[in-house]
Amino acid sequence: GENVEQHPSTLSVQEGDSAVIKCTYSDSASNYFPWYKQELGKGPQLIIDIRSNVGEKKDQRIAVTLNKTAKHFSLHITETQPEDSAVYFCAASVTDKLIFGTGTRLQVFP
Amino acid sequence: DGGITQSPKYLFRKEGQNVTLSCEQNLNHDAMYWYRQDPGQGLRLIYYSQIVNDFQKGDIAEGYSVSREKKESFPLTVTSAQKNPTAFYLCASSSRGTGPREQYFGPGTRLTVT
Repeated sequence: GENVEQHPSTLSVQEGDSAVIKCTYSDSASNYFPWYKQELGKGPQLIIDIRSNVGEKKDQRIAVTLNKTAKHFSLHITETQPEDSAVYFCAASVTDKLIFGTGTRLQVFP
Repeated sequence: DGGITQSPKYLFRKEGQNVTLSCEQNLNHDAMYWYRQDPGQGLRLIYYSQIVNDFQKGDIAEGYSVSREKKESFPLTVTSAQKNPTAFYLCASSSRGTGPREQYFGPGTRLTVT
């Protein structure tokens, strides 16, 4: 079955810097890759997603890139702000089931 | 105000008792999901349902049961057979279509069993 690995597990950046989180997946048939942001004690919130027919997608300060050949995808956050501090999860899917990575705790210091 | 509600936010039970977690959605979504989240781990799928009166086991279904009698409701029962039930439980829903669809999550229920 699908397996998703996520790195790094923790990431600390200065406000205004960029942050990059990377995920790899094992099932080459996976065709949907969402990213979720989870604040402490809350449910995950979908922030951006990408499908396998697209290589890159942007939404303001957030972008996701997908390399199907290498089977990895990345989340890029530019001009980070303290409110970006949270745990971020990647996921991959080929059916209605999502397989999640283990999460990255992002801390943005003012 | 559309969304997914889970109740209660915190739940405490004694070992050996069954407990039912509530999940309701008013998004008119066909599919609903239950995940378990433990510290340092990703979300793991317990059960999912793509249509009323039908559901499938996820990766960690042992010790759990569900029902899907109404489109908007998907309650999860944590039975006494679940060896380590203390965790954060998340419910999600999505529309149905060709291929994977966006899943939207509720606020979660933190269950503590002592």
